Amino acid sequence: SQQGEEDPQALSIQEGENATMNCSYKTSINNLQWYRQNSGRGLVHLILIRSNEREKHSGRLRVTLDTSKKSSSLLITASRAADTASYFCATDGGRDMRFGAGTRLTVKP
Amino acid sequence: ETGVTQTPRHLVMGMTNKKSLKCEQHLGHNAMYWYKQSAKKPLELMFVYSLEERVENNSVPSRFSPECPNSSHLFLHLHTLQPEDSALYLCASSQGGGTGGSDTQYFGPGTRLTVL
Repeated sequence: SQQGEEDPQALSIQEGENATMNCSYKTSINNLQWYRQNSGRGLVHLILIRSNEREKHSGRLRVTLDTSKKSSSLLITASRAADTASYFCATDGGRDMRFGAGTRLTVKP
Repeated sequence: ETGVTQTPRHLVMGMTNKKSLKCEQHLGHNAMYWYKQSAKKPLELMFVYSLEERVENNSVPSRFSPECPNSSHLFLHLHTLQPEDSALYLCASSQGGGTGGSDTQYFGPGTRLTVL
């Protein structure tokens, strides 16, 4: 399956700390995307990284991609309570996207 | 707001009822999707429509019946559901006119379905 798997399943940190979430996948991909979901709501796209890119930044987000290890990481710097949400990686093997079960991030004020 | 709306937001139904979920996108996209999200499980892709034609049906039981009358609207008709069908049903759209696998997807807020 080309479905991504996030690690850890849950992460709890203090406001101001950095949060790192990882995603592993099994097959070759064209791109990998990260999404965020607030409780009981729809997913919101955060960032897309293509298979020929190694790192990408967007505000306080930093995404890395290592295609040799079939893994990606999402770093949120200087976290805020409003960052509390579930974070999903989605892998694209060309036909459609597959999502993992997500990492539940809790940022304590 | 992502430009994708879903109604109703909450639905409680008995196993013998028939109901429909509605999704509308205001983004001019060509592809629309139905996902099922159950607690602590990965998002399950149910159906994909591209240019109003169904391009994927991931072995979804026939008690779920999709309909895409035009590129802006997507329905999921429900009948004789089971309690295990209780979940958050998410609709999404993307720009791609093909299967849209490489495209960013824009999600609606979801319909929380409870089957009694």
